[in-house]
Amino acid sequence: QVQMVQSGAEVKTPGASVKVSCKASGYTFINSYIHWVRQAPGQGLEWMGIIHPSGGSTTYAQKFQGRVTMTRDTSTSTVYMELSSLSSEDTAVYYCARGHVATSMAADHWGQGTLVTVSP
Amino acid sequence: EIVMTQSPATLSVSPGERATLSCRASQSVNSNLAWYQQKPGQGPRLLIYGASTRATGIPARFSGSGSGTDFTLTISSLQSEDFAVYYCQQYNNWLTFGGGTKVEIK
Repeated sequence: QVQMVQSGAEVKTPGASVKVSCKASGYTFINSYIHWVRQAPGQGLEWMGIIHPSGGSTTYAQKFQGRVTMTRDTSTSTVYMELSSLSSEDTAVYYCARGHVATSMAADHWGQGTLVTVSP
Repeated sequence: EIVMTQSPATLSVSPGERATLSCRASQSVNSNLAWYQQKPGQGPRLLIYGASTRATGIPARFSGSGSGTDFTLTISSLQSEDFAVYYCQQYNNWLTFGGGTKVEIK
């Protein structure tokens, strides 16, 4: 079965960077886009960007351009999301999610989420 | 950026009753709309894509309709496991989510 397993919780200080990993299994890794979505405490969902594992092409939401980098390692079926210049507003649960087979822009399998806390 | 507006923010429904959730886009998204369910402490679950196609394993009591700017998610007979927050998401022009509708027990 498809599984997206994310790395554990992180605590960072303002100005630092964080790198979250997402290991995919149960399907052909290079065939599906992977999204990153975040959710601040008690808030809604916010799309950050997308990566295609085959060639590594990325598209980032305008809000995060210049501050987010998404990469992949095809040898381990893992994608990474690095967010820099962290502030308290970046405190959130970060999710990776696989693009649906029929329509890549919907996400059909989600990771368990990674809580990133930014605190002095 | 396409803005997605969901209403109502909270919907109080008794088990067995019908729930109707609305989602409006600031400009046409054609049929490029998905619905998700999220329960506390969990990631979202894809319910509907293409405005009206149920995702794999989603019960038939969930149905989606609409196109252009106005969309509806209907849960025909609410079960206890359906009380959750529901989000719409457009993917006609990259991705944006609505603010969510919380379906609570009346």
